[in-house]
Amino acid sequence: GAVVSQHPSWVICKSGTSVKIECRSLDFQATTMFWYRQFPKQSLMLMATSNEGSKATYEQGVEKDKFLINHASLTLSTLTVTSAHPEDSSFYICSALPLNTEAFFGQGTRLTVV
Amino acid sequence: DAKTTQPTSMDCAEGRAANLPCNHSTISGNEYVYWYRQIHSQGPQYIIHGLKNNETNEMASLIITEDRKSSTLILPHATLRDTAVYYCIVRPSNTGNQFYFGTGTSLTVIP
Repeated sequence: GAVVSQHPSWVICKSGTSVKIECRSLDFQATTMFWYRQFPKQSLMLMATSNEGSKATYEQGVEKDKFLINHASLTLSTLTVTSAHPEDSSFYICSALPLNTEAFFGQGTRLTVV
Repeated sequence: DAKTTQPTSMDCAEGRAANLPCNHSTISGNEYVYWYRQIHSQGPQYIIHGLKNNETNEMASLIITEDRKSSTLILPHATLRDTAVYYCIVRPSNTGNQFYFGTGTSLTVIP
């Protein structure tokens, strides 16, 4: 299957700082990428849909000014968690849609805010 | 919104078939059934998807009832590495439509 790579795999940051997570489609172009968040023992929660060259569409209850998404190319989308706080600690996962069939997921990024 | 109902957990003996059910009674005509699984602390892995015909690939088989209100994912010979949370998702076929995850089924394969 298609490969989606996230970087970093894990990150620890201090409260109040910003963290950027990259999501790359390695062997295909993705006009659409999705960002999810997953808390322990819970399911994946969709945060936003990222479309190349346009503004992301955020799910209800997700703060767009806190979770900045940039999808500047067909192979790269970034999620920046601004002014991170301990409650933002979570597992962040991206996925990309090569065609209008199945989506492929990155390996996830474990964010810990201390 | 997740439109599926799955059992919270299931056990399966190693080497036996694992049959994971999913109810999607409100599925629309243009919605596909997708199955993903997530092994602990990893991103979800695509397994299979279908519209109305049964599907089979190297990982699993997908059996969809004639009225399309439910489906079953079959892992023919479960191994310990199949222990994971399995998610059944219904999604329209239109470009860019999101994948919403429900609670899934936690499958434990027992030696």
